[in-house]
Amino acid sequence: GAGVSQSPSNKVTEKGKDVELRCDPISGHTALYWYRQSLGQGLEFLIYFQGNSAPDKSGLPSDRFSAERTGGSVSTLTIQRTQQEDSAVYLCASSLQGAGGGYTFGSGTRLTVV
Amino acid sequence: GQQLNQSPQSMFIQEGEDVSMNCTSSSIFNTWLWYKQDPGEGPVLLIALYKAGELTSNGRLTAQFGITRKDSFLNISASIPSDVGIYFCAGLSNYGQNFVFGPGTRLSVLP
Repeated sequence: GAGVSQSPSNKVTEKGKDVELRCDPISGHTALYWYRQSLGQGLEFLIYFQGNSAPDKSGLPSDRFSAERTGGSVSTLTIQRTQQEDSAVYLCASSLQGAGGGYTFGSGTRLTVV
Repeated sequence: GQQLNQSPQSMFIQEGEDVSMNCTSSSIFNTWLWYKQDPGEGPVLLIALYKAGELTSNGRLTAQFGITRKDSFLNISASIPSDVGIYFCAGLSNYGQNFVFGPGTRLSVLP
């Protein structure tokens, strides 16, 4: 597509429930990133996919967080047993190849855990 | 881990004024990026810098890659209302695979 597409744009969930956030990167972009932005904060790196390589999961805050990227395109970020501190905007970004040229971000998914 | 600091945290300026903000780190970076984020949107890339000392412009925006490679600066000339938003710096180290982002500078422009 023309840009990075994320869905849903907003999600309200009850504490303890699982959620799935979806990212559709720019066609042809081999690198895909997930970041988290808490209210009034900067962007916190979560996970990075590059082609068929094993993902860099070093930023995932706990084992409740996981992500996969199917067919080198669409990615899903899953948060299990959500907690209130998981409330944030989850941003996905893609780039043509690796990080060097900068990313193109989606508009994010605003997650609210009540 | 690597961290970036941005200053000021927020600023209120009059329309037409020039703006300066900076980003500093204790680590050396090989690439600096500046992004702008509007409310409810993802950050949009403004300027990319790849070489120490490099000065790059994009319209009214000018950014510099500090010669120590530990800082970068963004200037906006003749500010207009649509400049309102949060400006993030991001740095990539030599062995890094992902950019580290600063906490942002929130800019408000008063008419």
